[in-house]
Amino acid sequence: EPEVTQTPSHQVTQMGQEVILRCVPISNHLYFYWYRQILGQKVEFLVSFYNNEISEKSEIFDDQFSVERPDGSNFTLKIRSTKLEDSAMYFCASTSGGRLNTGELFFGEGSRLTVL
Amino acid sequence: KQEVTQIPAALSVPEGENLVLNCSFTDSAIYNLQWFRQDPGKGLTSLLLIQSSQREQTSGRLNASLDKSSGRSTLYIAASQPGDSATYLCAANYGNNRLAFGKGNQVVVIP
Repeated sequence: EPEVTQTPSHQVTQMGQEVILRCVPISNHLYFYWYRQILGQKVEFLVSFYNNEISEKSEIFDDQFSVERPDGSNFTLKIRSTKLEDSAMYFCASTSGGRLNTGELFFGEGSRLTVL
Repeated sequence: KQEVTQIPAALSVPEGENLVLNCSFTDSAIYNLQWFRQDPGKGLTSLLLIQSSQREQTSGRLNASLDKSSGRSTLYIAASQPGDSATYLCAANYGNNRLAFGKGNQVVVIP
């Protein structure tokens, strides 16, 4: 069964360092997302991406964050200068779309980011 | 604000009992509602998707109902098994797959 894959599964970094989290969405999907979950809290929307540009972003997704689809298969989230509060599980998700882009969302296993 | 609440936060049941997990959402203008399963430290596995025009959706031992006007959804798991132990998340879709998640129902099924 097709699945969303994410790497790395866990990354530890020093505050102020740049981090890139990678995702390979399901191959025929067109819409891509990043969500995050701080330990013990709700899963939160970060950004949606379609047709090589950001469709929507939350207030969390500030100038320190960026997303890119560098080739036909990868979708990346970059945090330019990490802060302690960026420590979280980051989930990539994708969907084929559907009416008003509300199709079933499929999530990856997540990348746990720990900022020291 | 589009808030999603799940009650109870945690519950334990003996194996074989039916599970009833509740989800409420403050803004009823949803396109659909999705239930997920999350094992500790793991990703989100989609269980059921109910469109706003539907009243319920079934998959095996799982049944989810949706009452959009009252802002509620319920996930029923029949004849629970120890393998059902996990956290169950509901997420309301307000368009463009910007999901608003609840905090989850943490379930332990006791053998």
